Amino acid sequence: EVQLVESGGGLVQPGGSLRLSCEASGFSFGDSYMYWVRQAPGKGLLWVSRIDNDGSSTKYADSVKGRFTISRDNAKNTLFLQMNSLRVEDTAVYYCAKSGGYYMDVWGKGTTVTVSS
Amino acid sequence: QSALTQPRSVSGSPGQAVTISCTGTNSDVGGYNYVSWYQQYPGKAPKLMIYDVAKRPSGVPDRFSGSKSGNTASLTISGLQAEDEADYYCCSYGGTQLYVFGTGTKVTVV
Repeated sequence: EVQLVESGGGLVQPGGSLRLSCEASGFSFGDSYMYWVRQAPGKGLLWVSRIDNDGSSTKYADSVKGRFTISRDNAKNTLFLQMNSLRVEDTAVYYCAKSGGYYMDVWGKGTTVTVSS
Repeated sequence: QSALTQPRSVSGSPGQAVTISCTGTNSDVGGYNYVSWYQQYPGKAPKLMIYDVAKRPSGVPDRFSGSKSGNTASLTISGLQAEDEADYYCCSYGGTQLYVFGTGTKVTVV
């Protein structure tokens, strides 16, 4: 079964840091591009970042560029999102998703990040 | 880059057809045949329903169909069922951001 399981969310103060993880199973992780997508409470989906299959190419939404870093460990089938200089507006459920092409074909259940003092 | 524009809500009776529009620009929806649609129940993760404008993943009922004309993509649910009541989001590749999602549409089965 193809599965993505996120972890690492929690409560953090503005300006703080958090590292999210996404453990993949059931597919060839090292052959797959991966995404992070977030959803603020009561709001819509927002694409955050994309990484290619070997980690050599990364892309970010303007709202997180320079603060967030996407990375991966193909030996451990794990995707990461390092989030620094967190803002209140970064509060959201963060989903990792597998790329099937120019779309997200498998999603994790998400991990909640709350930025508040 | 602004989100793609979707109607806030649509509704229909069981068995009817409903269509959700998704309007973007020449840089995203109009520039590529890479529009996807996602269904989301409250508190749950999104699920892929349509990709590459009109392709349906295995396991998605054939009452779901997608199309595109110019800068506007559409998702049609034919033969609406109670279980189709959910939020639906379009997404397009392209533009200043790599991907842009729509504002989301709540489908209600009345």
